[in-house]
Amino acid sequence: QVQMVESGGGLVKPGGSLRLSCAASGFTFSDYYMSWIRRAPGKGLEWVSYIGSSGRNIYYRDSVKGRFTISRDNAKNSLYLQMNSLRVEDTAVYYCASARTAAGLRYWGQGTLVTVSS
Amino acid sequence: DIQMTQSPSSVSASVGDRVIITCRASQSITSWLAWYQLKPGRAPKLLIHAAINLQSGVPSRFRGSGSGTDFTLTISSLQPEDFATYFCQQSSSFPWTFGQGTKVEIK
Repeated sequence: QVQMVESGGGLVKPGGSLRLSCAASGFTFSDYYMSWIRRAPGKGLEWVSYIGSSGRNIYYRDSVKGRFTISRDNAKNSLYLQMNSLRVEDTAVYYCASARTAAGLRYWGQGTLVTVSS
Repeated sequence: DIQMTQSPSSVSASVGDRVIITCRASQSITSWLAWYQLKPGRAPKLLIHAAINLQSGVPSRFRGSGSGTDFTLTISSLQPEDFATYFCQQSSSFPWTFGQGTKVEIK
């Protein structure tokens, strides 16, 4: 059974840092590319970052470039998002998601809430 | 960035109704479109991939159509478990972008 479990969310002050983790099981993690998606309160879904199956190809949305770093450890079946210089507008539920092809994100976690507030 | 315009933003419908949700891309995305269902407190669920392909395990009352810039998600006969929010998403180019969402509510 496929499971993707995010952790690491919480309350942080503007300018602070958090590291999100996503533990995957039930599928061959190293065959899948991974993404972080977020949903701010009362808003829609927003793609944040992508990492290819080997970790070589990485993309970010402009608003997080230079502040967020995506990484993965295929030996540990885990995905990470290091978030620095957090802003109030980064407040959202963060989901990890995975897929074999670019045609659709097949597996999702239930999300972890990040709240940036003073 | 490719803009995804989804409509309607909400729809009130009854069990058994047919519901149609549309998504328009600001430029051609060929068939790089997916549809997702979101329910509060649950992991988002992939319904349709590559515009027209029903994801394994998803009921056949869900149908995706379209290519290029115009896409449609049709729920042929709404069931109680279908009341949720639906999003389209393009993966033709980065940054991947989502439609604004359609909330399907009970009439």
